[in-house]
Amino acid sequence: DSGVTQTPKHLITATGQRVTLRCSPRSGDLSVYWYQQSLDQGLQFLIQYYNGEERAKGNILERFSAQQFPDLHSELNLSSLELGDSALYFCASSVGAGRDTQYFGPGTRLTVL
Amino acid sequence: EDQVTQSPEALRLQEGESSSLNCSYTVSGLRGLFWYRQDPGKGPEFLFTLYSAGEEKEKERLKATLTKKESFLHITAPKPEDSATYLCAGGLGGATNKLIFGTGTLLAVQP
Repeated sequence: DSGVTQTPKHLITATGQRVTLRCSPRSGDLSVYWYQQSLDQGLQFLIQYYNGEERAKGNILERFSAQQFPDLHSELNLSSLELGDSALYFCASSVGAGRDTQYFGPGTRLTVL
Repeated sequence: EDQVTQSPEALRLQEGESSSLNCSYTVSGLRGLFWYRQDPGKGPEFLFTLYSAGEEKEKERLKATLTKKESFLHITAPKPEDSATYLCAGGLGGATNKLIFGTGTLLAVQP
């Protein structure tokens, strides 16, 4: 158990809908990262937050957004969902924003029908 | 372009048969080379971080090494429970800790 929690574990929804994924980092960690893992793409970095502020963006679609709250938990919002958004979404956390080790949560499996 | 490439894509070993997994990288300003283990449907589990060429780290049957161009994950006398996908990732420099992942090596260890 890495100490990173994610909810829900599974999410099934329809195209065009909006969903919110939630992540709680390890105690004491200030950075939260979101990654997408699909069969054909592998693990892809989406976005990083450090102590409430956006630190880095990867290949995140405009339909996707995230935020980190004062209690350091984070939410990833996915809207206007498409079939191709079906994937595993992982949250990771680290102590700082530099080269610290990232610890991953168990993931949320999103299925868009 | 920053890139991490892992080989082989899949590897089947007999229990006790040692081998190595390769991770080659071209990451500008690399700030760490990370190894993770991932079981099906689960989150990546941290194994090692290597920061500089020549560095080595060991944990049970696993040993990770780093050169200026690649990293190896050596598996000595593997057991069936070592079966998993092993992921390698390069950490970018600058103000971010973004990881660039390889596509992984799927290891199957047969009894």
